[in-house]
Amino acid sequence: SSELTQDPAVSVALGQTVRITCQGDSLRSYYASWYQQKPGQAPVLVIYGKNNRPSGIPDRFSGSSSGNTASLTITGAQAEDEADYYCNSRDSSGNLVVFGGGTKLTVL
Amino acid sequence: EVQLVQSGAEVKKPGESLKISCKGSGYSFTSYWIGWVRQMPGKGLEWMGIIYPGDSDTRYSPSFQGQVTISADKSISTAYLQWSSLKASDTAMYYCVRHDSSGSDVDYWGQGTLVTVSS
Repeated sequence: SSELTQDPAVSVALGQTVRITCQGDSLRSYYASWYQQKPGQAPVLVIYGKNNRPSGIPDRFSGSSSGNTASLTITGAQAEDEADYYCNSRDSSGNLVVFGGGTKLTVL
Repeated sequence: EVQLVQSGAEVKKPGESLKISCKGSGYSFTSYWIGWVRQMPGKGLEWMGIIYPGDSDTRYSPSFQGQVTISADKSISTAYLQWSSLKASDTAMYYCVRHDSSGSDVDYWGQGTLVTVSS
């Protein structure tokens, strides 16, 4: 079992805003990063640190954190955003890394 | 351009050994942690462990400790993941990844190596 918990599936209407969450005790001390994975492809980093986007990631992706919960928000979801999303961070010891179980995002 | 290029797909039998590789280029290989991530068919990402090629400091997830060995040869900028005795349950896609300066964020992913273990 993962030390980071995500909802297995979330859906959003095209053009609407969706929030994907990640819960874990270690998130009180460390930021989460977020990855998008489409079928048959390697994951891609979309958010890291407090709220940073790598080059090429649209600004509709944003990150936030409060207490033991990190969130990835997609403002104005597009059809191409349909994918699996994973959070990761350090584990509760701070020495290792852990991924959340993943959230499947469906854009309706 | 940073690249992580992994070795090709493997088909092995239970009990066989295997070593897969990941060659880094376009950056200082000894200055970043390299990790391995497992993805079983239809399942999520599992972090297996990391190595710092600069001094070979290696750490494993408790789930993978004793099950695999992570190593690196800094002279050829290559990291490895090896098994001494494969099981059918090792069938998965394995990604090598580069952790950025945070030590946890993954900024680059290899293309993945599919390992199939079947009798």
